[in-house]
Amino acid sequence: KAGVTQTPRYLIKTRGQQVTLSCSPISGHRSVSWYQQTPGQGLQFLFEYFSETQRNKGNFPGRFSGRQFSNSRSEMNVSTLELGDSALYLCASSRGIDSWNTEAFFGQGTRLTVV
Amino acid sequence: AQTVTQSQPEMSVQEAETVTLSCTYDTSESDYYLFWYKQPPSRQMILVIRQEAYKQQNATENRFSVNFQKAAKSFSLKISDSQLGDAAMYFCAYRSAQMMGSNYKLTFGKGTLLTVNP
Repeated sequence: KAGVTQTPRYLIKTRGQQVTLSCSPISGHRSVSWYQQTPGQGLQFLFEYFSETQRNKGNFPGRFSGRQFSNSRSEMNVSTLELGDSALYLCASSRGIDSWNTEAFFGQGTRLTVV
Repeated sequence: AQTVTQSQPEMSVQEAETVTLSCTYDTSESDYYLFWYKQPPSRQMILVIRQEAYKQQNATENRFSVNFQKAAKSFSLKISDSQLGDAAMYFCAYRSAQMMGSNYKLTFGKGTLLTVNP
């Protein structure tokens, strides 16, 4: 069974640009969550999508957005990049339909560097 | 809002010895899940062990076990017979058991960097 795939693995962008990151969940998983990981703030929840709908959102500015497609693949977009957006962005997939089936499987992340 | 605190930024252990990583959390909910994740240098987060709050019995997975104290809101991870491959950043995480709203959102602690000395 293929794991969670995030592309690209590494990105270097310039301040003011925008970026799109992609996440393909495990087959059959309908929930995709995104997290930002930085040395200072640790792991912070960005948002979660389930069946193409945003089900939960973290405390991030509107420059951070996402979407989910009918095949459960998800993208997140960051517009008007700032230096502080440099981070490892992790995607996690879950079945998403039961409270008890709790395990989230993570991808290897996309390392975004803003210069 | 829930918070998770890991008070040990770094820990070290000798190979084959036992080490315990601490985690405390704060929540007003009665039903939730707790997890320990491992993040090696490869960056991929790997689930080590999970605990359902309604279960009194502590979870165990091979060399990994937890000490779950619900009243004290404490959830420590014990690694027995430590191996070099256990070296990684370990994160404690909380997830609500509610069906709606905050479901599937993980709240993480800051992590504990574990070094295993040969």
